[in-house]
Amino acid sequence: DSGVTQTPKHLITATGQRVTLRCSPRSGDLSVYWYQQSLDQGLQFLIQYYNGEERAKGNILERFSAQQFPDLHSELNLSSLELGDSALYFCASSSQVSGTDTQYFGPGTRLTVL
Amino acid sequence: EDQVTQSPEALRLQEGESSSLNCSYTVSGLRGLFWYRQDPGKGPEFLFTLYSAGEEKEKERLKATLTKKESFLHITAPKPEDSATYLCAVQAASTSYGKLTFGQGTILTVHP
Repeated sequence: DSGVTQTPKHLITATGQRVTLRCSPRSGDLSVYWYQQSLDQGLQFLIQYYNGEERAKGNILERFSAQQFPDLHSELNLSSLELGDSALYFCASSSQVSGTDTQYFGPGTRLTVL
Repeated sequence: EDQVTQSPEALRLQEGESSSLNCSYTVSGLRGLFWYRQDPGKGPEFLFTLYSAGEEKEKERLKATLTKKESFLHITAPKPEDSATYLCAVQAASTSYGKLTFGQGTILTVHP
């Protein structure tokens, strides 16, 4: 158990819908990262937040957005869902904004878009 | 652009048969190289961080090494419970943030 929690574990929805994925980082960690894992693309970095502020953006679609709240939990919002958005979404946390501190991953949310 | 290539894509071993997994990387200055283990449907589990060429780290049957262009994960006398996907990731010195760039992974199957 990494100490990172994610809800829900599974999400099944239809095209065009909007969903919210939630992540709670390890106790004391200020950085939260979101990654997407699909069969053809592997693990892809989406976005990083540090202590409530966005710090880095990767291959995140405009239909996707995220935020980190004062209690440090984070939410990833996915809208206008398409079939291709079906994937595993992972949250990771670390203690720092930079440097080579270890990122610990949560169990993931499996999103299925029908 | 940072790139990570892992080989082989899949590896089948008999229990006790030692082997190595390769991770080749291209990055504009390496801040750190990470190895993770991932079981099906689960989140990646941290194994090692390597920072500079020549560095080695060990944990049970696993040993990770690093050169200026690649990293190896050596598995000695593997057991069936070592079966998993092994992921390599790099963090570039060109960014002050924590983004990891992952390879596609090596799927390891150890038969009893």
